[in-house]
Amino acid sequence: KNEVEQSPQNLTAQEGEFITINCSYSVGISALHWLQQHPGGGIVSLFMLSSGKKKHGRLIATINIQEKHSSLHITASHPRDSAVYICAVRSTGSQGNLIFGKGTKLSVKP
Amino acid sequence: NAGVTQTPKFQVLKTGQSMTLQCAQDMNHEYMSWYRQDPGMGLRLIHYSVGAGITDQGEVPNGYNVSRSTTEDFPLRLLSAAPSQTSVYFCASSRYGDSSYNSPLHFGNGTRLTVT
Repeated sequence: KNEVEQSPQNLTAQEGEFITINCSYSVGISALHWLQQHPGGGIVSLFMLSSGKKKHGRLIATINIQEKHSSLHITASHPRDSAVYICAVRSTGSQGNLIFGKGTKLSVKP
Repeated sequence: NAGVTQTPKFQVLKTGQSMTLQCAQDMNHEYMSWYRQDPGMGLRLIHYSVGAGITDQGEVPNGYNVSRSTTEDFPLRLLSAAPSQTSVYFCASSRYGDSSYNSPLHFGNGTRLTVT
């Protein structure tokens, strides 16, 4: 079983829809990251969480440490949000190394 | 700031050839790492470093060597390329230490490597 599981693997939405991507993990962590990989291949960091909730523009990330679960929400989705969203955790005692989920491919149709 | 600079962007090798993927960062980050990304799999750690002169193996180190002679540079060497090393490679860096949980990972733009 993978230590970091994301769902769904693929997601197609209509422009304007509210989107949720889920991440569950099975190890103790010091932080959780959400990353975005665009079709061109570049990877950028969206959020780092160790507790609670963070918001940046139309993106919201939440984490429940007790349930070992995080969600990434996108409000009022737009075609430019089409990308692969990757969850990664920094496990405790891992010397800073991250464990990555396989990613969720999001396609937002106009 | 240039951030993390990774070269080359594309490379084709024949089986048995060697090459070095370059990675440089200008953010004075202690932590640097190399990953490979294959279809249907998450990013997998090849090697990492927490400072100049310090390197360690990740999840998939076989066939790859690294060195860290300076804080800025972290090259990845393929000693004898094999078709199984066909992949997209990413270099990344971040701060390291007690506050590292609050440090984002900065990625290079990737190298698409094909070994024939």
